[in-house]
Amino acid sequence: QSALTQPASVSGSPGQSITISCTGTSSDVGAYNYVSWYQQRPGKAPKLMIYDVRIRPSGVSDRFSGSKSGSTASLTISGLQAEDEASYYCSSYTRTNTHVVFGGGTKLTVL
Amino acid sequence: QVQLVESGGGVVQPGKSLRLSCVASGFTFSNYGMHWVRQAPGKGLEWVALLWYGGSDEYYADSVKGRFTISRDNSKNTLFLHMSSLRVEDTAVYHCARDKAGVRGMDYYLDSWGQGTLVTVSS
Repeated sequence: QSALTQPASVSGSPGQSITISCTGTSSDVGAYNYVSWYQQRPGKAPKLMIYDVRIRPSGVSDRFSGSKSGSTASLTISGLQAEDEASYYCSSYTRTNTHVVFGGGTKLTVL
Repeated sequence: QVQLVESGGGVVQPGKSLRLSCVASGFTFSNYGMHWVRQAPGKGLEWVALLWYGGSDEYYADSVKGRFTISRDNSKNTLFLHMSSLRVEDTAVYHCARDKAGVRGMDYYLDSWGQGTLVTVSS
């Protein structure tokens, strides 16, 4: 199955906002609201940051927000902090027989 | 707290088999669907397989279908991934992860992850 499309890298200065896009198809992001986002710091396991397009699990900062328009989902991080530097992956349910697809990942650099 | 600990990785020759294990603690394992996700060195996450909490349904990525089998032993709080006909491109850290839905079924959100076990396929 094809991965969802994310930019390879984004960057921003502390305090700024950045947005990471995640483009899918009418079989996944465009068809369902089963979109999630994960943060992975170097050498660490991924952490669920957003699910159901825009819902934050308990304990996740409200600086993280999610949205979706058509077949493109987005993760916005406001008030960038050094600790936000990590790779971010989107994921979606897909109606293909595999059921789950990830994006290729976006490396966020806080300048 | 929820803990997932993988084991069983190592160096294996192409064409050989390997079985990974993931021991769960801190939650009622039998009430949750589970996933395997892998990450090749320096690459992104790739979903591998999922298994419903009752073991009734399982699904696989096209890249591993027919070669990998996911299973579980709820009496031992353990998830398995049996990998056969291994290829060089299967080299990766393999993570097990819990599906958030619990007894509602599957919602394909992975809310707890293990640190992973490294599988290296090389001659």
